[in-house]
Amino acid sequence: GEDVEQSLFLSVREGDSSVINCTYTDSSSTYLYWYKQEPGAGLQLLTYIFSNMDMKQDQRLTVLLNKKDKHLSLRIADTQTGDSAIYFCAELLRNYGGSQGNLIFGKGTKLSVKP
Amino acid sequence: DAGVIQSPRHEVTEMGQEVTLRCKPISGHDYLFWYRQTMMRGLELLIYFNNNVPIDDSGMPEDRFSAKMPNASFSTLKIQPSEPRDSAVYFCASSFKGNTIYFGEGSWLTVV
Repeated sequence: GEDVEQSLFLSVREGDSSVINCTYTDSSSTYLYWYKQEPGAGLQLLTYIFSNMDMKQDQRLTVLLNKKDKHLSLRIADTQTGDSAIYFCAELLRNYGGSQGNLIFGKGTKLSVKP
Repeated sequence: DAGVIQSPRHEVTEMGQEVTLRCKPISGHDYLFWYRQTMMRGLELLIYFNNNVPIDDSGMPEDRFSAKMPNASFSTLKIQPSEPRDSAVYFCASSFKGNTIYFGEGSWLTVV
C-alpha cells in the first residue's frame, strides 16, 4: 500500500546541519513535498521537488531525491532554534488518468534545535 | 496574498452538537481539500473538490460528516452529531492544477 516513512525525532545543535530523511512507496509520484508545522500552527509548504529532478536548493534548504531507492531528504544548513518544528514529507499520488490525487503524508519528524 | 482562511480557529463543543467548519481557498485555486490531523492517525485526507465538484470522499469517516462547496470561494465541513473521537485539527488546503498545495492554519476542534 501507499506509505511514507520518516524517523520521528531529530536533535541537532544550533549552527549544525540537519538532515531529515523520508522513504515513499509510489514510483509514479510526480511531486514530493516538505511541509513544516510549528506548535499550534498549520502546515507551511517549505519546498517541493518534481520527480525528474535529483536535487533542489533554496537558500538554506537542499532537497535530494533518489528515485531508484524512493528516498527523499531535506537538509537544513546552519540550523537555527527557529527551525524547531515538525517536518512532514508528502508524496502526491495521481488518480488514474493523471488527474489530481491525494497527498500522502509521513508521520512527521520532530526537529529539536539545542542552543 | 491572503492564504487559505479557515474558521473557527478553535471550537469546543458538547457531544451531540452540530459543528460547522468553514474554508475560503486561495483565489483562483481550483482544488480544495479537507484533511484531519490526529496524534494516532497523522494527516488524513477526508475529501477533495475540483471546480466545486467533490471528486473523492472516500476518506470521510462516516455519514455524520458532510462537506459542501457551493462556490469557488467557500467550503464547509459539517459534523452532525459530533462525538469526542472527532476531536482533531481539521485543515483546509487549496491548489491550482493540483500540484502545489497550500494549507490553512487549521480548525482545532474539541468535543467534550
